[in-house]
Amino acid sequence: GIQVEQSPPDLILQEGANSTLRCNFSDSVNNLQWFHQNPWGQLINLFYIPSGTKQNGRLSATTVATERYSLLYISSSQTTDSGVYFCAVDQTGANNLFFGTGTRLTVIP
Amino acid sequence: KAGVTQTPRYLIKTRGQQVTLSCSPISGHRSVSWYQQTPGQGLQFLFEYFSETQRNKGNFPGRFSGRQFSNSRSEMNVSTLELGDSALYLCASSGTGIYEKLFFGSGTQLSVL
Repeated sequence: GIQVEQSPPDLILQEGANSTLRCNFSDSVNNLQWFHQNPWGQLINLFYIPSGTKQNGRLSATTVATERYSLLYISSSQTTDSGVYFCAVDQTGANNLFFGTGTRLTVIP
Repeated sequence: KAGVTQTPRYLIKTRGQQVTLSCSPISGHRSVSWYQQTPGQGLQFLFEYFSETQRNKGNFPGRFSGRQFSNSRSEMNVSTLELGDSALYLCASSGTGIYEKLFFGSGTQLSVL
C-alpha cells in the first residue's frame, strides 16, 4: 500500500508562534484530507484538499499532488491547537483510506 | 444537526468474547466508515458501508465485520477477541463516501483483558 509520512513527529510551540506540518505520500492519490485529533480523541476534519490551497481562519493548507506532498500552516498558534494532526489520502484504485503517522503539536502558554 | 454518535464510549471484554459497536451517522449521510486506532499501528481503515452494502474494505481479518441498516446506522462486530484488538474504534459518516469530507464520532475505547 501507499506510504504516508508526516513530519515533524513532535512539535512544541510557544503560543503565538507559526508552524508548518508536512505530509508526504509515495504514490498517486485522488484526495487528501487533514484532521485534528484533540486530547479527548475527537477527530475534526480541517481541510478536504486534493490540490491547490485553502484557508480557514488561522489555518491554511496546500497540496501539490504532482510532487506528492501537502502542507498545513498554523499561524498565531493557541493552546487549543494542541493535539495530533493527521493527513489521510486515498490511493488511486485502492478503494482504501490511508492515514499518515501524525504530528503531535503542543502549544505552551 | 446532531453529529455522529458512537456507543458505548468505553468497553471492557475478555479474550475470546465478541463485541458489537454502534454508530449513528449525521442525518442524511449514507456512508459510514470504521477505523481502528492503536499506539503501534496508528489509524487504520476497516471498512465502509453505503446503502446497506459494504463498498470498501481495509486489510483486517474476517473476525472484523459490520453491517448497515436501512436508516444508515451501522454496527461493527469483532468476534473471538484478542489482546491486540484493544484500541479506539472510530466511525465517520459522509454524504457519499470516504473520498469526501468525513465527520467522526467520539469513538469507542475497547480494552481486551
